[in-house]
Amino acid sequence: DTEVTQTPKHLVMGMTNKKSLKCEQHMGHRAMYWYKQKAKKPPELMFVYSYEKLSINESVPSRFSPECPNSSLLNLHLHALQPEDSALYLCASSQGSRSSYNEQFFGPGTRLTVL
Amino acid sequence: GQQVMQIPQYQHVQEGEDFTTYCNSSTTLSNIQWYKQRPGGHPVFLIQLVKSGEVKKQKRLTFQFGEAKKNSSLHITATQTTDVGTYFCGRRGGGTSYGKLTFGQGTILTVHP
Repeated sequence: DTEVTQTPKHLVMGMTNKKSLKCEQHMGHRAMYWYKQKAKKPPELMFVYSYEKLSINESVPSRFSPECPNSSLLNLHLHALQPEDSALYLCASSQGSRSSYNEQFFGPGTRLTVL
Repeated sequence: GQQVMQIPQYQHVQEGEDFTTYCNSSTTLSNIQWYKQRPGGHPVFLIQLVKSGEVKKQKRLTFQFGEAKKNSSLHITATQTTDVGTYFCGRRGGGTSYGKLTFGQGTILTVHP
C-alpha cells in the first residue's frame, strides 16, 4: 500500500465551528507532514511530525492544532478559522525525517472553505 | 529562509514541442527534488538529485543538477497532453530544519493539442 488517504475530501465550515482533518498511511513511514496550498501557489509547510513527535511548527496560528495519535495517523484540528484559511490542506508522509532518501508521498488533500 | 527561485511561472507549448523549467538558488543545495501536480490533483514525487552535475532520465524527462549545486532543470522532450500540470522543485532542509521541504513557485505547463 503506497497510498496516503485523507478525509474528508471537502469541508465547509463557519468561523465558530470546530472540525478535524484526518490523514492515514500504512507504509511504515515515521515522518508525517501538513501543508497548506492556495490556488496557483506551492504547498507551504505547516507542521512536521517525526516518530510521532512534533519536530517543526512553521509559526502556524494556534487555531490549527496538529495531533499524531500513532505512527499511521495524523490529525489537524481546526477551531475559529478565518475565511483566508480556505485552501487545500495536504498531508504527506516519508520514511523518516532523517532518511537520506526523503521522497514525500502526498494525500489527495482536503479542500476547506471557511465561511 | 533559503528560497529556491523557479522560472518560468507559466509555459504554453504545442504538443510535440520541448519544455524546460529551471530552479535557482543563491546558496549551495544539498539536494533538489522535483514534483508534478496535475490540475485538481496532489504533488507526486518525480526524482531527487544530490550529486554535483548529476543527470537523470525518466523516458522523455531529463533532470539535471548543476556543477555548483545551485541550480537544477527539468526538460521534457516532445511534450504530450498528459504532461499538463504544475512542476515544482523543492529543497529539503538540513540541521534543525531536517525534513522540511521548501518548494519553488512552480511552473504551470499547458500543452495545446
